[in-house]
Amino acid sequence: EVQLVESGGGLVKPGGSLKLSCAASGFTFTNFGLNWVRQAPGKGLEWVASITKSGTYIYYSELAKGRFTISRDNAKSSLYLLMNSLRAEDTAVYYCARSRSEYCSGGGCYSGYYGMDVWGQGATVTVSS
Amino acid sequence: QSVLTQPPSVSEAPRQRVTISCSGSSSNIGNHAVSWYQQLPGKSPKLLIFYDDQLSSRVSDRFSGSKSGTSASLAISGLQSEDEADYYCAAWDDSLNGHVFGGGTKLTVL
Repeated sequence: EVQLVESGGGLVKPGGSLKLSCAASGFTFTNFGLNWVRQAPGKGLEWVASITKSGTYIYYSELAKGRFTISRDNAKSSLYLLMNSLRAEDTAVYYCARSRSEYCSGGGCYSGYYGMDVWGQGATVTVSS
Repeated sequence: QSVLTQPPSVSEAPRQRVTISCSGSSSNIGNHAVSWYQQLPGKSPKLLIFYDDQLSSRVSDRFSGSKSGTSASLAISGLQSEDEADYYCAAWDDSLNGHVFGGGTKLTVL
């Protein structure tokens, strides 16, 4: 069964750090790009970061730039999101999502361009004092 | 304020057809592929449509997608109570150099 399972969520104080993990199974991990998407309580989906299958191309939303780091360990079939300088507004469910395929153009490749076809159950992150 | 604009809510009776719009610009929908997602209450999102109008695997053909210029639409025919969910459009945005999602549309089946 194709599956993504997030872990590492929890309660953290403002200014603190947290590292989310996403364990993949049921598919060839190195063939797919991956993404983090979050959803604040009662709000819509918000893209956070993407990484291509090779790890060469990484993109961040404005909210994540300079604070969050996306990475992958192909040997462990795992995706990570290191979050620093956390704020109350980072409180959300964080989803790991597989890219259906990548699109390459103009010297760059874009994970998730043709949709995100497998999603994890989400990891809850609460930033509060 | 989302870069992609969707109506907050739509409603229609069972067995009818409903359309959800997604309005963007030349930096996103106008030049890039659109995807649509369904999120049932308390569940993770599910990919319905990719590359504007391609049906994702194991998705009912009651769902269809289209795009014209800088706008896209998701149509659902033969509405069923199980279709009650939040629906999101998404696309790459050149100005932001990243993915953008619409604000979401809550579908109510009357």
